[in-house]
Amino acid sequence: NAGVTQTPKFRILKIGQSMTLQCAQDMNHNYMYWYRQDPGMGLKLIYYSVGAGITDKGEVPNGYNVSRSTTEDFPLRLELAAPSQTSVYFCASSRDRGRDTEAFFGQGTRLTVV
Amino acid sequence: GNSVTQMEGPVTLSEEAFLTINCTYTATGYPSLFWYVQYPGEGLQLLLKATKADDKGSNKGFEATYRKETTSFHLEKGSVQVSDSAVYFCALSDIGTASKLTFGTGTRLQVTL
Repeated sequence: NAGVTQTPKFRILKIGQSMTLQCAQDMNHNYMYWYRQDPGMGLKLIYYSVGAGITDKGEVPNGYNVSRSTTEDFPLRLELAAPSQTSVYFCASSRDRGRDTEAFFGQGTRLTVV
Repeated sequence: GNSVTQMEGPVTLSEEAFLTINCTYTATGYPSLFWYVQYPGEGLQLLLKATKADDKGSNKGFEATYRKETTSFHLEKGSVQVSDSAVYFCALSDIGTASKLTFGTGTRLQVTL
């Protein structure tokens, strides 16, 4: 079982460059999420989606965009990279909206903006 | 709003020592509580959970009890192993939040021989 797959695993960007972090899940989950993890901090929610065609902002959405054209894929777009976006990014999915539902995480993308 | 507070790490223990990682929470509703673990180089994975007061979640020798009166969900293990070395995150998910998780800052555990 692949679960949640993120690419790339590592990336170095220059200030002002753009990139897309890819996320795919093969569990047919409707709910998908993007979190960022800064050193010494917990994970913060960037964006989430409750199904294809539906996305919404999380706690820290500025500087990012997302789309959800299929159930499987939930890419995260950085348009103008800034040093403040240096972080580890995790994509996650869950089966439903229940408050006791387990979230499944990808391995993460470590992004450095220089 | 919702928040989770964990004890700061790193926590360094010898193998077979007793482990406690403290976690307290603030929530506007009646949340479910989780412990996620992140092994080196990997994503987070669910360790255990509890969905109502006095529930005890358990897995792989780890336990945590949902204490509503003290708003706590402390993680314990009676005898840690080197393979338990990881970062442990306490988290909550509240009603009406589309399963969005609020995380603590994480506690790094290092177990030595």
